Amino acid sequence: AQSVTQLDSHVSVSEGTPVLLRCNYSSSYSPSLFWYVQHPNKGLQLLLKYTSAATLVKGINGFEAEFKKSETSFHLTKPSAHMSDAAEYFCVVSDDNAGNMLTFGGGTRLMVKP
Amino acid sequence: NAGVTQTPKFQVLKTGQSMTLQCAQDMNHNSMYWYRQDPGMGLRLIYYSASEGTTDKGEVPNGYNVSRLNKREFSLRLESAAPSQTSVYFCASRLAGPDYEQYFGPGTRLTVT
Repeated sequence: AQSVTQLDSHVSVSEGTPVLLRCNYSSSYSPSLFWYVQHPNKGLQLLLKYTSAATLVKGINGFEAEFKKSETSFHLTKPSAHMSDAAEYFCVVSDDNAGNMLTFGGGTRLMVKP
Repeated sequence: NAGVTQTPKFQVLKTGQSMTLQCAQDMNHNSMYWYRQDPGMGLRLIYYSASEGTTDKGEVPNGYNVSRLNKREFSLRLESAAPSQTSVYFCASRLAGPDYEQYFGPGTRLTVT
């Protein structure tokens, strides 16, 4: 069975400061991992994905994440927050053979203060 | 490309009423999904269809039925709506295989009174 834990339900940063959103997973197989962003009243948009290639993954809008197998983590970072980054972020794991069962974390709401 | 479209965007039902949520994708994806999103719980999978002609239960299938009408369309039916089904419903699609990301529709906000 697979599971995803997003360690913070809310994160607040000031504009221009670094962002760290934490995600831990458990998986029976070699997982694929994703980060999605959801702006208010919108659907989900893919930020980045890890699929067993490079462990440091770069995504859109300056976000990146590092896959650490020993720590079962896939934390999302950004060097400098922008007001437009305020949104909800979801960490997702896919590890069944067919890749059909995706499990979502509970989400982290990022707030950016001016 | 429209991507993934959902209708309706909003719906209010009374307890016991039925309705069907429609989803269509124009990306020639094999797999399609229905999720519900509730505050603090992320997205939970209701049903999915790995390919045309197949459907399988997800984490929270009770109270729902689905139909994979063709490769493009995947509908979700509530036969007898309950207040616990008040939620935002998202449809998604993807190519087959664990490395492919899902593409999401804009969602349907359903309220059951």
